[in-house]
Amino acid sequence: EDQVTQSPEALRLQEGESSSLNCSYTVSGLRGLFWYRQDPGKGPEFLFTLYSAGEEKEKERLKATLTKKESFLHITAPKPEDSATYLCAGSNAGGTSYGKLTFGQGTILTVHP
Amino acid sequence: EPEVTQTPSHQVTQMGQEVILRCVPISNHLYFYWYRQILGQKVEFLVSFYNNEISEKSEIFDDQFSVERPDGSNFTLKIRSTKLEDSAMYFCAYRDTSNQPQHFGDGTRLSIL
Repeated sequence: EDQVTQSPEALRLQEGESSSLNCSYTVSGLRGLFWYRQDPGKGPEFLFTLYSAGEEKEKERLKATLTKKESFLHITAPKPEDSATYLCAGSNAGGTSYGKLTFGQGTILTVHP
Repeated sequence: EPEVTQTPSHQVTQMGQEVILRCVPISNHLYFYWYRQILGQKVEFLVSFYNNEISEKSEIFDDQFSVERPDGSNFTLKIRSTKLEDSAMYFCAYRDTSNQPQHFGDGTRLSIL
């Protein structure tokens, strides 16, 4: 069974304090590892797709990396507006899969000014 | 802003009643999905829809659920006889090609009394 696990469940940072969020996965035939941001009362907002181990993607203060077993979302010098729930999801390529996403439970990030 | 609009934003229904949740895309997308998120739990895949038919469904998507795109525009999720445990946020998602990420609407909050 495909599984995605995120840690920590919650993370509190001071503004400017860099940190990393972890996503470990067991998704057979992984086709893509996705990071989303979710604000309260909103749907997940796409951030990054990673396809192969060693790949990195960057956007403003966020950088996502991928190994064969896990992915990291690095947040450099965060600001209060980065506060949100960050979701990791895997998509497999096996069989007749049409790209369903298997989500982790998310990391709730709070950045204090 | 999401490229799909979900209506209603909040639906309150008595147990045993039928509900229809709607997703209206702005553009003509190829792949559609429904996910749900029970309060405090992971986002869970329900069903994928391609070329006007179901391409994949989860164990959650049993006989009480159905999807259709009757007029080539609205994409609907029908729950025939609602149960208390159907209370959740329901998200519609789409993507345009197999190499692109899924993008989500802002969801419908379904409350079963």
